[in-house]
Amino acid sequence: EPEVTQTPSHQVTQMGQEVILRCVPISNHLYFYWYRQILGQKVEFLVSFYNNEISEKSEIFDDQFSVERPDGSNFTLKIRSTKLEDSAMYFCATTSGVNTGELFFGEGSRLTVL
Amino acid sequence: QKEVEQNSGPLSVPEGAIASLNCTYSDRGSQSFFWYRQYSGKSPELIMSIYSNGDKEDGRFTAQLNKASQYVSLLIRDSQPSDSATYLCAADSGGGADGLTFGKGTHLIIQP
Repeated sequence: EPEVTQTPSHQVTQMGQEVILRCVPISNHLYFYWYRQILGQKVEFLVSFYNNEISEKSEIFDDQFSVERPDGSNFTLKIRSTKLEDSAMYFCATTSGVNTGELFFGEGSRLTVL
Repeated sequence: QKEVEQNSGPLSVPEGAIASLNCTYSDRGSQSFFWYRQYSGKSPELIMSIYSNGDKEDGRFTAQLNKASQYVSLLIRDSQPSDSATYLCAADSGGGADGLTFGKGTHLIIQP
């Protein structure tokens, strides 16, 4: 069964450092998303990406964050100058685009900022 | 502020019984609604989607939508211990936007 693959599964970083989270979408999917879930909280939309550009972003997705698809397979989320409150599980999700809410989630990358 | 509200639970249901999960949403522009299941420490998994008023059945699962009341529900028949998880209700943002708004989820426990 096709799946969304995320790396790393867990990253620990010092406050102020930059992190890059990587995702390999399902091969025929066209829409890519990043969501985050702070421990014990709800899943929150960060950004959607289609046709090599951001199609929508939330209020959370400020200048600290960026996304790109550098090589046609990976889809990355970069978080600059990390803060303690960035500690969360970050989920990549993809969909074929027919029904954009029917998402396939990766297993997540847990980010711990110390 | 667009909100999706769920009772956090826990909701405890005996094995074999019907589990009923409910959700309300604030944005009348939302058109599409989804139920995701999330096991502890895992990622959300799509269970059901519903786009029009009424009921939609898929195996042991039935989703119900009432747009006038801004209410979505999920029924799980013949509940199994493996159904024990947190169930997340989600709504689209309306107006063609494609980010989902999730509720905090209802923790369901199926008692053997």
